[in-house]
Amino acid sequence: GAGVSQSPSNKVTEKGKDVELRCDPISGHTALYWYRQSLGQGLEFLIYFQGNSAPDKSGLPSDRFSAERTGGSVSTLTIQRTQQEDSAVYLCASSLTASGGGYNEQFFGPGTRLTVL
Amino acid sequence: GQSLEQPSEVTAVEGAIVQINCTYQTSGFYGLSWYQQHDGGAPTFLSYNALDGLEETGRFSSFLSRSDSYGYLLLQELQMKDSASYFCAEPNAGNNRKLIWGLGTSLAVNP
Repeated sequence: GAGVSQSPSNKVTEKGKDVELRCDPISGHTALYWYRQSLGQGLEFLIYFQGNSAPDKSGLPSDRFSAERTGGSVSTLTIQRTQQEDSAVYLCASSLTASGGGYNEQFFGPGTRLTVL
Repeated sequence: GQSLEQPSEVTAVEGAIVQINCTYQTSGFYGLSWYQQHDGGAPTFLSYNALDGLEETGRFSSFLSRSDSYGYLLLQELQMKDSASYFCAEPNAGNNRKLIWGLGTSLAVNP
């Protein structure tokens, strides 16, 4: 595909369950980002991957959140023991590189809307 | 901590011009990006300014003033389809590979 894809588009789960969200970045993009966006709010950085470097996990809100990126491509964000406050849209973005110095056009997927009941 | 401030809402009419301001903190500043997000959609990149001045791309322009620590997005000849949220963002001062985002400005374009 030409763009970033995410699945599922919607996920409804019960409190305490684990969920996995998937992101397929644009082919050739070495940087991949996960964000969380609550209704009417800005984007909250969660984690990013750059090539084979160790991921920057500084934005993960708790140890219930984890992410991995296999083969430098597809990424999975896992939320364990979901809580109602985890309800949000989870956005994935990729860029050619996480270039230092600032310029960094990010291409976003459509997001996964997570609802925790 | 690092933060950006922008108005929460702006309303305008078709054909008008609207300016959305964004102020930022100066420590470790690299540049300012703007993104557009329609309701239920994904953010899409509009522009990036690293140097002072105006960058024009069609009906949209973006301006940066480092001395005043602010920038703005200028939308001309507004159309209904421009109704969306607009976010400014800047690289994190401690790690410029991450973006810090403003809370967004919701623009409503009325007939």
